[in-house]
Amino acid sequence: DAKTTQPTSMDCAEGRAANLPCNHSTISGNEYVYWYRQIHSQGPQYIIHGLKNNETNEMASLIITEDRKSSTLILPHATLRDTAVYYCIVRVLSNFGNEKLTFGTGTRLTIIP
Amino acid sequence: DAGVIQSPRHEVTEMGQEVTLRCKPISGHNSLFWYRQTMMRGLELLIYFNNNVPIDDSGMPEDRFSAKMPNASFSTLKIQPSEPRDSAVYFCASSFGRANNEQFFGPGTRLTVL
Repeated sequence: DAKTTQPTSMDCAEGRAANLPCNHSTISGNEYVYWYRQIHSQGPQYIIHGLKNNETNEMASLIITEDRKSSTLILPHATLRDTAVYYCIVRVLSNFGNEKLTFGTGTRLTIIP
Repeated sequence: DAGVIQSPRHEVTEMGQEVTLRCKPISGHNSLFWYRQTMMRGLELLIYFNNNVPIDDSGMPEDRFSAKMPNASFSTLKIQPSEPRDSAVYFCASSFGRANNEQFFGPGTRLTVL
């Protein structure tokens, strides 16, 4: 799986959009970009994933650059409950084989009241 | 659905004792993963199963660790003998193999080996 680079930590004011960047310059054509988050003392939680098109769901938006070497996770209206460590992961979506997740160090996002 | 269920939630044991962690995946999911999280090493995959068959156990630290999945609704991770450096939070996750491969994580078991 390709390696990702994320800032160690970020702050965001409550109610503002939180934009979390991720670099994955060695991503392969068949690798997807996944985002998970881990709220303190809980198991990681899936947020969103995408291949090359921008994606949006009820939790967040994912913007992937045209060359796919970087992406940004956007939490449109951050709340205090969004304080967590956010992990950007790239991996293939194979039919059988490699389905594992390789977690890096992630970005610790703190939402400021 | 109750989600992924892990037991016990907390375990304190003494060095040299056998420890068994248990996991019940979400019904219908065909992949199961065991992860370990420590401050030093972060979140790392130990082993995962697909249709009850171990697919990749390269993350299992050593022979003291073993995992089984006797059926689709139950898995165990055993440490024998346990050592203080095994102290960590152990997470179990399950997913439906195809779809978007989203993994659903359990609440974890916090293991302390004295």
